[in-house]
Amino acid sequence: DTEVTQTPKHLVMGMTNKKSLKCEQHMGHRAMYWYKQKAKKPPELMFVYSYEKLSINESVPSRFSPECPNSSLLNLHLHALQPEDSALYLCASSQGPLDEQFFGPGTRLTVL
Amino acid sequence: AQSVTQPDIHITVSEGASLELRCNYSYGATPYLFWYVQSPGQGLQLLLKYFSGDTLVQGIKGFEAEFKRSQSSFNLRKPSVHWSDAAEYFCAVTGGGNKLTFGTGTQLKVEL
Repeated sequence: DTEVTQTPKHLVMGMTNKKSLKCEQHMGHRAMYWYKQKAKKPPELMFVYSYEKLSINESVPSRFSPECPNSSLLNLHLHALQPEDSALYLCASSQGPLDEQFFGPGTRLTVL
Repeated sequence: AQSVTQPDIHITVSEGASLELRCNYSYGATPYLFWYVQSPGQGLQLLLKYFSGDTLVQGIKGFEAEFKRSQSSFNLRKPSVHWSDAAEYFCAVTGGGNKLTFGTGTQLKVEL
């Protein structure tokens, strides 16, 4: 299984809502990533988990809260988002820090 | 710090014509280089990667790339483009630490 899955595919939320994005991989990868991608732009790294520990936080606002419950799962908890947070949120995984990253299809988030 | 430059924002080619997408990188040591493709609203798919060894790398979908250390380049090529190749193409580099740096992308349009 060489797939990274993400749910939901689409999410619309108000600025006072709390929601979560989910990501799963069964490739035995030990690193997992969250990226944010705005239209016509490259992905921007948000968080990296390595061996289930947060290793990189790219100065992301606290309204985004990552969680890695186990080596296969990665969540991104969302609370009090702003309209400018609307974007495609991509999850990825890799075996190690120098290996290719496998990307999921993304969650299209719209904040009203 | 590592960086990637993709000089061409948009490229249009006719179906059946050859293609070359340019990528220049900046990194102090031996880089690990990747080309990804992204269709609209989708995740990123790895086309090919260069870690070491043979500087001409073969990838999926008939793509290849050549690593030229003297020019700090990793250009992507395809001898005959198909209409389904229309997409956004990202070059990326890493030197480790789980951080993948993307170029700004090249939008490929294929004329029938």
